[in-house]
Amino acid sequence: EMQLVESGGGLVQPGRSLRLSCTASGFRFDEYAMNWVRQTPGKGLEWVSGISGNSARMAYAASVRGRFTISRDNAKNSLYLQMDSLRGEDTALYYCVNCGGDSCIRGFVDSWGQGILVTVSS
Amino acid sequence: DIQMTQSPSSLSASVGDRVIITCRASQSISNYLNWYQQKPGKAPKLLIYAASSLQSEVPSRFSGSGSGTDFTLTISSLQPEDFATYYCQQSYSGPITFGQGTRLEIK
Repeated sequence: EMQLVESGGGLVQPGRSLRLSCTASGFRFDEYAMNWVRQTPGKGLEWVSGISGNSARMAYAASVRGRFTISRDNAKNSLYLQMDSLRGEDTALYYCVNCGGDSCIRGFVDSWGQGILVTVSS
Repeated sequence: DIQMTQSPSSLSASVGDRVIITCRASQSISNYLNWYQQKPGKAPKLLIYAASSLQSEVPSRFSGSGSGTDFTLTISSLQPEDFATYYCQQSYSGPITFGQGTRLEIK
């Protein structure tokens, strides 16, 4: 069974950094692209970033481009999201997700982590 | 980005009712439309993919239809466990985008 477990969230001041991690199990991690999706009561569900299985391709939402960096370590079955210059509007529940293939494009999210809360506030 | 608009935003219904939730895309997305169910404190769960394909182990009372810009999720006979929030999502082009959600409440 595919399992995704996020960690690293918490309370952080505006302008500071935080690094999220996601540990995967139950599937060949290096064969799949991985993504981050966040959820807020106000804006709902928003795709944040994605990375291909071999890290050759990364993509970002316009709202985080230049501030967030996605990466992965296939040897550790782990996905990361380095979040710099955090803003209040980045406050959200962040999900690690798998679309079951090379991309979420033309596919669907079939596995979600339990989510990790990030709160940006002074 | 492709905008996804769901209606209604909230809906009250009774057990046994037939419920229809609609989703409209800001441009044609063919049949690249997925539906998710989310219960409080849980991650979303895939119900329907490619507009009308039922995900494994999802009850047959759920069905989806549509293509192009207009889509529907139908629950034929509401069960107590169906009261939740439902989201549509397009995967036609990046970035993938979600509707704002439809909260289904008990009448």
